[in-house]
Amino acid sequence: EADIYQTPRYLVIGTGKKITLECSQTMGHDKMYWYQQDPGMELHLIHYSYGVNSTEKGDLSSESTVSRIRTEHFPLTLESARPSHTSQYLCASSFHMNTEAFFGQGTRLTVV
Amino acid sequence: QKEVEQNSGPLSVPEGAIASLNCTYSDRGSQSFFWYRQYSGKSPELIMSIYSNGDKEDGRFTAQLNKASQYVSLLIRDSQPSDSATYLCAVSPNQAGTALIFGKGTTLSVSS
Repeated sequence: EADIYQTPRYLVIGTGKKITLECSQTMGHDKMYWYQQDPGMELHLIHYSYGVNSTEKGDLSSESTVSRIRTEHFPLTLESARPSHTSQYLCASSFHMNTEAFFGQGTRLTVV
Repeated sequence: QKEVEQNSGPLSVPEGAIASLNCTYSDRGSQSFFWYRQYSGKSPELIMSIYSNGDKEDGRFTAQLNKASQYVSLLIRDSQPSDSATYLCAVSPNQAGTALIFGKGTTLSVSS
């Protein structure tokens, strides 16, 4: 059973607002990831982290930023939300980069 | 550019039949391979991992790996309507420190 949690599950917010999507895991995994997925579409890696104080951009350009101050916590922030940011955001973690990743339940973001 | 290719489907099978899902990958040095199931609107769930050539069975699921052909497949025996979902193939690239590469997924529909 994967113990990785995302909050909120659903968020509807106005354009220009700053938002932070939370992701926490209790498995002690060093590696954490953020993916973006539109309905019926493929996963896109937007950020990942090797460990505390380590963050990297993924394959898909994103206007979001991430931080990794604690092993268990990997929040994603949008400084100024736009309708183009409407999507599902999935957080995942793994023991190593090349081992199975476990996903949180996702945050479905709608920017109006 | 490392790639993981899957037929998008939909793959339609009757209840009780065997569903066969296929995946090819471009990185010959890949070592770890995973199958995820994703129900509509939900996050991906790990269902199988396979690391060596041959077959690996877990209940109704069998993963098959052929590294020489750069091919991995998932067989679902006695398919049930509850198996209707998108199945994602994920491959760990040979390059150290990089995240799993996901295919676009194959949509399976099991009719009762």
